[in-house]
Amino acid sequence: DAGITQSPRYKITETGRQVTLMCHQTWSHSYMFWYRQDLGHGLRLIYYSAAADITDKGEVPDGYVVSRSKTENFPLTLESATRSQTSVYFCASSEYTGFWLQPQHFGDGTRLSIL
Amino acid sequence: QKEVEQDPGPLSVPEGAIVSLNCTYSNSAFQYFMWYRQYSRKGPELLMYTYSSGNKEDGRFTAQVDKSSKYISLFIRDSQPSDSATYLCAMSLDGGSNYKLTFGKGTLLTVNP
Repeated sequence: DAGITQSPRYKITETGRQVTLMCHQTWSHSYMFWYRQDLGHGLRLIYYSAAADITDKGEVPDGYVVSRSKTENFPLTLESATRSQTSVYFCASSEYTGFWLQPQHFGDGTRLSIL
Repeated sequence: QKEVEQDPGPLSVPEGAIVSLNCTYSNSAFQYFMWYRQYSRKGPELLMYTYSSGNKEDGRFTAQVDKSSKYISLFIRDSQPSDSATYLCAMSLDGGSNYKLTFGKGTLLTVNP
């Protein structure tokens, strides 16, 4: 009963470095999402994917890149990390049943600090 | 005006109390309403999911939606220390666009034994 697994759980890096956060789900859900959670802002959508090789921007996509070559994986890359990207990142997944998208299920997050 | 307003608390209650958590929203087109519970250093966990106005009950939890007032509530009966968490409301326009959830900022609840 793995569900959604995010790795690493904690990461410290420096400004300008590239960092990739991993997300893996075992449900074969078609939709996957990346959020960041910050004090004062709540959860904000970064990118989402409706299926393998289909991705789209959310509310705060700048500075992030995603890919989805396999249904079960949805990595998030910060190409050149900035301090403003220090946050807790959550991956989520959901299944589209034909006429509605089921509520999203979340992983336990990656706590990222950029020095 | 923010789309979804949620009192951040913190809210502290004794064990056994009835807890009322609330969100107001400005977009009258929202139709799907969710409550998530988030324990410290964990991801949000879906608690309740309702469509349009009305009540939905699940054990000690009751979700209430009043679309005329643009107000949703989550009631917790016989609250337990294990209910101590942050509660997030979320809503979306329709089932097909559920990918776009609008979240409240969360209310921190502590239930004291």
